[in-house]
Amino acid sequence: QKEVEQDPGPLSVPEGAIVSLNCTYSNSAFQYFMWYRQYSRKGPELLMYTYSSGNKEDGRFTAQVDKSSKYISLFIRDSQPSDSATYLCAMKRWNGNQFYFGTGTSLTVIP
Amino acid sequence: AAGVIQSPRHLIKEKRETATLKCYPIPRHDTVYWYQQGPGQDPQFLISFYEKMQSDKGSIPDRFSAQQFSDYHSELNMSSLELGDSALYFCASSFDQNTEAFFGQGTRLTVV
Repeated sequence: QKEVEQDPGPLSVPEGAIVSLNCTYSNSAFQYFMWYRQYSRKGPELLMYTYSSGNKEDGRFTAQVDKSSKYISLFIRDSQPSDSATYLCAMKRWNGNQFYFGTGTSLTVIP
Repeated sequence: AAGVIQSPRHLIKEKRETATLKCYPIPRHDTVYWYQQGPGQDPQFLISFYEKMQSDKGSIPDRFSAQQFSDYHSELNMSSLELGDSALYFCASSFDQNTEAFFGQGTRLTVV
C-alpha cells in the first residue's frame, strides 16, 4: 500500500466549476504538504505548500490540511480550461530527504 | 526568477550505453532530489543530496550513480542502459530539507 493515496480520476468539469482534489496518507510523520500541477511531458509546477492544519489560499487555489484525519485537499475555484492537467499531491517528513507523491489526478476543464 | 535547469532536455541512447544527466539547482538551494517518471506514473524517488552529501536513496538501480558537486549542481550517471530506463528524469531543488521543492522541466531519456 502506498503511503499516499490519491484518486486518479479522470475528473471532467465544466468551465467555472469548483474542483476538489484529495489525498490521504498513512504516515503521521508527514509534516509538509505540497500540490503540484503537471502538464503533459512537463515538469511538476509547485502550486501550494503548507505545513500546518487548516486552509491556505492563493488566488483561485485553496489548500486544506487535516492532520488528525490524515487528509489533504486542493480546491480550485472558477476553473479554467488552462487548469486541465494532472495534479499531484506530495508530502515530506521533518528533515526528510524525499517527497512521497500520490498517483496524480487527471483533470479536464471543458469550455 | 531562476528555475531548476536540467540538461539535456532530450536524450536518445542505445541499450548498454551510458548517459549523464545534469541538474543545476536554483541559486542558494543546497538540496537536490532526483525522480524518475514513467508514462502515466507518478514520480519515483531515486536519490537526494543535502550540502553535497547523499542524504537518501530510493529505488535507484546499482547501474546508476549520482553526486552533488561543490557548486551544488548534480549529475546522474546511468550505465548499461536498458529499454526500461526510458522515462522522464526530473531534478528538484529546495533551499534546505524543510522547504518546498521546485522541479526542473526534466530530461526525456529514450533507450532504443
